[in-house]
Amino acid sequence: GQQVMQIPQYQHVQEGEDFTTYCNSSTTLSNIQWYKQRPGGHPVFLIQLVKSGEVKKQKRLTFQFGEAKKNSSLHITATQTTDVGTYFCAGPGGNYQLIWGAGTKLIIKP
Amino acid sequence: DGGITQSPKYLFRKEGQNVTLSCEQNLNHDAMYWYRQDPGQGLRLIYYSQIVNDFQKGDIAEGYSVSREKKESFPLTVTSAQKNPTAFYLCASSIGGQQPQHFGDGTRLSIL
Repeated sequence: GQQVMQIPQYQHVQEGEDFTTYCNSSTTLSNIQWYKQRPGGHPVFLIQLVKSGEVKKQKRLTFQFGEAKKNSSLHITATQTTDVGTYFCAGPGGNYQLIWGAGTKLIIKP
Repeated sequence: DGGITQSPKYLFRKEGQNVTLSCEQNLNHDAMYWYRQDPGQGLRLIYYSQIVNDFQKGDIAEGYSVSREKKESFPLTVTSAQKNPTAFYLCASSIGGQQPQHFGDGTRLSIL
C-alpha cells in the first residue's frame, strides 16, 4: 500500500545548529502537509505544498516539495529551544484520508 | 473561537469496561478523524467520517466504535475488546478529506 517514509527518526542538535527532516512517498502526491507536535501537545498544521518544486518559508523554516512530487523536506535554520518537538509530514492517501510519516523528533542538546 | 474540544483530558478504564471519548468541533468541518498515538510513536488512524451518518474504519479499528449523528460531534468508544487501550487519543477535523487537519488537545487513556 501507499507509504510515506520520514527520516531521521531523531535528530539531536546544539541550539543554533540547523535541522532537516525528509519525507519520501511511494506514490506521487497531489500535496504534502507538515505538522509540528510539541512535547505533550497535539499536532499543529504548519503548511501545505501543492506545486512541483515549490519552496515556502516561514521565518527560519523552509519547506520544499520535490519536482516529481514524491518527496519533501523541512529545514530549520539556527534552531531555538522553541523548535523542540516532533515534525510530521502527511500526504493524501486513498479513501479521503492522510498518510502520515512516522515523524522526526528534534532534540536540543543541553 | 473556533476549535475542537476533546474531553476528558485524562480517563481511566477498568477491566471489562467500555469508555467513551468526546470530540466536538465548531469549525463547520465535514470530515472528522480519530487517531491513536503511543508513546514516542506516530499517528495511527482508528476511524474517520466524511459526512454525517457515515464513517469508515481506519488502520486499527478493532476494539473501537464511533458514531456521527451530528456534524459537530464524533465520539469514540473504546470497548472492552480493545485489550491494550493505554494511549493518547487525538480527534481531528478538516474541511474535506485529505485537507489540513485541526486537532483537539487529546485524551490520555490508562487502564486501572
